[in-house]
Amino acid sequence: GAGVSQTPSNKVTEKGKYVELRCDPISGHTALYWYRQSLGQGPEFLIYFQGTGAADDSGLPNDRFFAVRPEGSVSTLKIQRTERGDSAVYLCASSYTLNTEAFFGQGTRLTVV
Amino acid sequence: GQQLNQSPQSMFIQEGEDVSMNCTSSSIFNTWLWYKQEPGEGPVLLIALYKAGELTSNGRLTAQFGITRKDSFLNISASIPSDVGIYFCAGPILAQKLVFGQGTRLTINP
Repeated sequence: GAGVSQTPSNKVTEKGKYVELRCDPISGHTALYWYRQSLGQGPEFLIYFQGTGAADDSGLPNDRFFAVRPEGSVSTLKIQRTERGDSAVYLCASSYTLNTEAFFGQGTRLTVV
Repeated sequence: GQQLNQSPQSMFIQEGEDVSMNCTSSSIFNTWLWYKQEPGEGPVLLIALYKAGELTSNGRLTAQFGITRKDSFLNISASIPSDVGIYFCAGPILAQKLVFGQGTRLTINP
């Protein structure tokens, strides 16, 4: 596609459930990033992939959060045992290489009830 | 961790007015980025600054990289309704990780 695509656009889940959020980066982009944006705040870094490997996962808040990018393209952010505090917009971005402009998707709004 | 502080947090202006907002940090950045975010969308890069003292324009937008490398400014001239949104400054911590300010929300009265 022309831009970064994230699915679903909205996700409502019950506390304690498992969720997966998908990101399709721009074709040919080797770098992929996940950010989390809470209401009224700027995005906060979660994890960065270069190719298939997670090069920096220092922003993941705890071990309930995990992300994969098995073939170096699509990435999935996985959240186990969701908590109400996980409610936020999860943004994905991709860039051609490190140090080039990153393009953001529209985000997935996660609501944990 | 490093934080970027943006001011003002919100602005309510009349169409046609000029807008100024700024971003400060306790740490030095070698790159400053300005993004705009509209409802239901991800941030879109407006201007990138790479050198202290640099002044860069993009249409009606002008941004400056502060001499101390701890601040940056964004100006919008002759605002129009489509300028409405949230403006974020950001700087890279390591090449792959951006830290964002909390945003300046711009509202324009026609």
